[in-house]
Amino acid sequence: GQQLNQSPQSMFIQEGEDVSMNCTSSSIFNTWLWYKQDPGEGPVLLIALYKAGELTSNGRLTAQFGITRKDSFLNISASIPSDVGIYFCAGQGNMLTFGGGTRLMVKP
Amino acid sequence: ETGVTQTPRHLVMGMTNKKSLKCEQHLGHNAMYWYKQSAKKPLELMFVYNFKEQTENNSVPSRFSPECPNSSHLFLHLHTLQPEDSALYLCASSQRGLAGVPRPDNEQFFGPGTRLTVL
Repeated sequence: GQQLNQSPQSMFIQEGEDVSMNCTSSSIFNTWLWYKQDPGEGPVLLIALYKAGELTSNGRLTAQFGITRKDSFLNISASIPSDVGIYFCAGQGNMLTFGGGTRLMVKP
Repeated sequence: ETGVTQTPRHLVMGMTNKKSLKCEQHLGHNAMYWYKQSAKKPLELMFVYNFKEQTENNSVPSRFSPECPNSSHLFLHLHTLQPEDSALYLCASSQRGLAGVPRPDNEQFFGPGTRLTVL
């Protein structure tokens, strides 16, 4: 089946630093999605990407859909403590396939 | 608030118990999903319902039994579970095309989950 490789698995950074995480796949996806999950909650959609090469921003978040449609990255600029959580990429084919998540920890 | 609610938020049950998880979506979507989230594992899709019809069953054991009485409600009936079934169970909903085919804007919206512990 389809698999998404998400890296890094975890990050521990200083407040104010920029963050970058990415996902790669052996399969092509029509849509890439990035979700954030806070402790004890369900994932919340951050950014949706629909076209190869598309670059989309949402506040301090920027995500890009790779040209090959097999990868995507998410950047967070000037991190703050509330950015703490688990970030998931997901590729939309017939079903959503999720990456393993990147756990982000921010030190004030 | 994502428009998807789940109850209960926490559930502890014995292996011989029967319980049900409930999900309700207030978004007017026509597709609903059950996912299992275990520690250190990617989200696992369990069941998919399009227009109240089950279209996906990802090799889920029969001790999990879904029910979708209408497009706004989804249940997961549990019986004779095992300790390894302890996990966060997430419900999601989305809007799919008439043929059940995903549309570019059919992002899934998740509920807060039910934290299940099987003793």
